[in-house]
Amino acid sequence: AQSVAQPEDQVNVAEGNPLTVKCTYSVSGNPYLFWYVQYPNRGLQFLLKYITGDNLVKGSYGFEAEFNKSQTSFHLKKPSALVSDSALYFCAVRDGRGYSTLTFGKGTMLLVSP
Amino acid sequence: EAGVTQFPSHSVIEKGQTVTLRCDPISGHDNLYWYRRVMGKEIKFLLHFVKESKQDESGMPNNRFLAERTGGTYSTLKVQPAELEDSGVYFCASSLQGAFNSPLHFGNGTRLTVT
Repeated sequence: AQSVAQPEDQVNVAEGNPLTVKCTYSVSGNPYLFWYVQYPNRGLQFLLKYITGDNLVKGSYGFEAEFNKSQTSFHLKKPSALVSDSALYFCAVRDGRGYSTLTFGKGTMLLVSP
Repeated sequence: EAGVTQFPSHSVIEKGQTVTLRCDPISGHDNLYWYRRVMGKEIKFLLHFVKESKQDESGMPNNRFLAERTGGTYSTLKVQPAELEDSGVYFCASSLQGAFNSPLHFGNGTRLTVT
């Protein structure tokens, strides 16, 4: 079975500081990894994905994530946080072999203070 | 392009009643998915349609839940009879390509409260 762990319910960071939202995963085959963001009263929006290739992937709004196979992690990062980045962030994984559904973590609330 | 739309945005019903949620995917998206998030928990997969066919319904909790996608356009998710544990936010998503490789486009969700 595949699973995702987001160990932090909430991450607090000051505007202008770097941010990291952690994600670890478990999957039998090759992992396909995704980050989504949810703003209040809205649906989830796709940020970025890792399928294969370069371990550092860049996505929307200046976010990036680093795939680390040995640590089974896919942490989301941004060099300089904005207040408008405050939202709920979800990590997701699927097994790259054949058909499998997308499994989400429980989400991490990011709060960026002015 | 118009996004994924869900109706209603909120629904409050009593235990034992019936509720029907509707999802209109992005035009041309053959793949339609239903997910549910209970407060503070993971977003759980319910089922996946490819056009009008159910590709995967392994996440449906029980036979009180019925999903349909007649004609391969919009989809409905009916809960009958509703129980307290059915409360949560129900998300619909669609994608052009299947197999979950392409990004999912989510609707704003329907917040269901069963009292």
